[in-house]
Amino acid sequence: GNSVTQMEGPVTLSEEAFLTINCTYTATGYPSLFWYVQYPGEGLQLLLKATKADDKGSNKGFEATYRKETTSFHLEKGSVQVSDSAVYFCALVSGNTPLVFGKGTRLSVIA
Amino acid sequence: SQTIHQWPATLVQPVGSPLSLECTVEGTSNPNLYWYRQAAGRGLQLLFYSVGIGQISSEVPQNLSASRPQDRQFILSSKKLLLSDSGFYLCAWSREPGNTIYFGEGSWLTVV
Repeated sequence: GNSVTQMEGPVTLSEEAFLTINCTYTATGYPSLFWYVQYPGEGLQLLLKATKADDKGSNKGFEATYRKETTSFHLEKGSVQVSDSAVYFCALVSGNTPLVFGKGTRLSVIA
Repeated sequence: SQTIHQWPATLVQPVGSPLSLECTVEGTSNPNLYWYRQAAGRGLQLLFYSVGIGQISSEVPQNLSASRPQDRQFILSSKKLLLSDSGFYLCAWSREPGNTIYFGEGSWLTVV
């Protein structure tokens, strides 16, 4: 079946540090890949997505590239801010199946 | 534009009491609807999804149930809550299976 594995948190970084959150997947067919963000006490918001191999999703300074050869979709940001503190979820959908999520990675950015 | 709302936002219920969480989507027709649960430290778990009125698929057998009485309404229920039902419940929708999913604001349930 489809599954997503993302790095365990929490991740604590200083402001302006470089961020990488690893995500790998297992899927049948050709999945679409997503990153969602959950700010404290809120629901999930779509951060970015990629629908085919080598696509790069980007939003708010975050980027992730769909790597079919390594079955990965790592999230990166060059310079994090305190306001980026949140829980980040990697997810995939393949065919007509509902979205499958990773367990989430909590990011804390300190000033 | 499409919007999704769920309520109540927060509730505290005693063990053994019933539950009803409601979710509605506006601005689209025949959406796919989902209920997810987020328990502390356990990520997101898909509970139910629906591709049409009266059509409910259950992903996890438990004491919860879902119903879709109208095209854009999705209800999560329980006849008798357990302590383990505590968590953050999220309603979501997509245009079609396999599309991007959009989430509501979430409902915090504490069973005491």
